[in-house]
Amino acid sequence: GQNIDQPTEMTATEGAIVQINCTYQTSGFNGLFWYQQHAGEAPTFLSYNVLDGLEEKGRFSSFLSRSKGYSYLLLKELQMKDSASYLCAVIGYNTNAGKSTFGDGTTLTVKP
Amino acid sequence: NAGVTQTPKFQVLKTGQSMTLQCAQDMNHEYMSWYRQDPGMGLRLIHYSVGAGITDQGEVPNGYNVSRSTTEDFPLRLLSAAPSQTSVYFCASRDTTLYEQYFGPGTRLTVT
Repeated sequence: GQNIDQPTEMTATEGAIVQINCTYQTSGFNGLFWYQQHAGEAPTFLSYNVLDGLEEKGRFSSFLSRSKGYSYLLLKELQMKDSASYLCAVIGYNTNAGKSTFGDGTTLTVKP
Repeated sequence: NAGVTQTPKFQVLKTGQSMTLQCAQDMNHEYMSWYRQDPGMGLRLIHYSVGAGITDQGEVPNGYNVSRSTTEDFPLRLLSAAPSQTSVYFCASRDTTLYEQYFGPGTRLTVT
């Protein structure tokens, strides 16, 4: 089975850097993903990691350590529009390749 | 290219009624999934499909049926609606070789 844990809420200041952590226990997976979801909207894809290490996409970076069962999403130069929920998810492999498991999400509030 | 479309956007049902939530995608994606999202929670997988004619259960399949007769369409049927099925339902699709999931806008269902 798969169990994914994220902090429920975080608060940060505009212009700052924030790190959202995700820990998981899983029997195996193809990749780990981060999605952003604004209130009342559908999730949108931010980044994914298949291999260990850091993936950078503009102001967003994501890190994965398979040996530690740990990932984080790093948001730099925070803007008010970054206030949203951030969902960590893993995607299965082999016969479970069509199956994704999501954490409950971290609600980030960016304050002026 | 409309991406993933879902109908209806909003629906109110009485306990015991049945209905079908529609989902269609025009990206020729093999993988499609249905999720439900309860307030303050992440996405929970109901059913998923890895291609036409192939479906499988997710974490919370009870009370729901699916079929996949074409690559484009993946309807979700509620057999006998219950108040516990009040939720927001998202359909998503992705390519077999890429990991990014594309989500529809969601259906907000209330069962009274």
